Amino acid sequence: QLLLQESGPGQVKPSGTLSLSCTVSGGSITSSNYHWGWIRQPPGKGLEWIGSISYLGTTFYNPSLKSRVTISIHPSKSQFSLQLSSVTAADTAVYFCAGDFRHHFFDYWGQGNLVTVSS
Amino acid sequence: SSVLTQPPSVSVAPGETANISCGANDIGSKSVHWYQQKPGQAPVLLIYYDSDRPSGIPERFSGSASRNTATLTISRVEAGDEADYYCQVWYSSSDPEVFGGGTKLTVL
Repeated sequence: QLLLQESGPGQVKPSGTLSLSCTVSGGSITSSNYHWGWIRQPPGKGLEWIGSISYLGTTFYNPSLKSRVTISIHPSKSQFSLQLSSVTAADTAVYFCAGDFRHHFFDYWGQGNLVTVSS
Repeated sequence: SSVLTQPPSVSVAPGETANISCGANDIGSKSVHWYQQKPGQAPVLLIYYDSDRPSGIPERFSGSASRNTATLTISRVEAGDEADYYCQVWYSSSDPEVFGGGTKLTVL
């Protein structure tokens, strides 16, 4: 049973960079069965896939966010991370990390981390 | 707007059957996955690969897909099923994993 836990600041200033980490426990972050993904949900709105990374470091990004997103993996820490640059109020959302089974579906989710973009 | 089209809301009486649709061209050739999200909680995987259920998901939840529509069916609806439901498809390595816009299920 995988457990995922997001961590990071709850507030970021406009034009700054949002940085979040996700710690994976209960299983190996280097499992070939899993990619590791980030999904966000603005208040009162639906889910938006941000991107995913394989255990080998291959990344897949939502084209609408690709120019601002970097996802990286840190196997020695059992963590993967998200950086989103040049943030605006539109980036205010709950950010979820999730286990992306074979890059098909998300079967394990973190509890979510609300990030507010505000000065 | 999402490539996957879901009705914004569905209402059903307790004990009845709810059908939530997810429409897209040729969705029947893809694998469709469904999630349930209750307020303040992370989504939970309900159905994967069109019709498979993870362990722990009641048999009341089922999925199906035809050429242009996938459907989540909830039989014998209970008050605790009131939630938002999302469909999701992975198209290819060059296209994003797409979520539908979500459907709010109200139990009358």
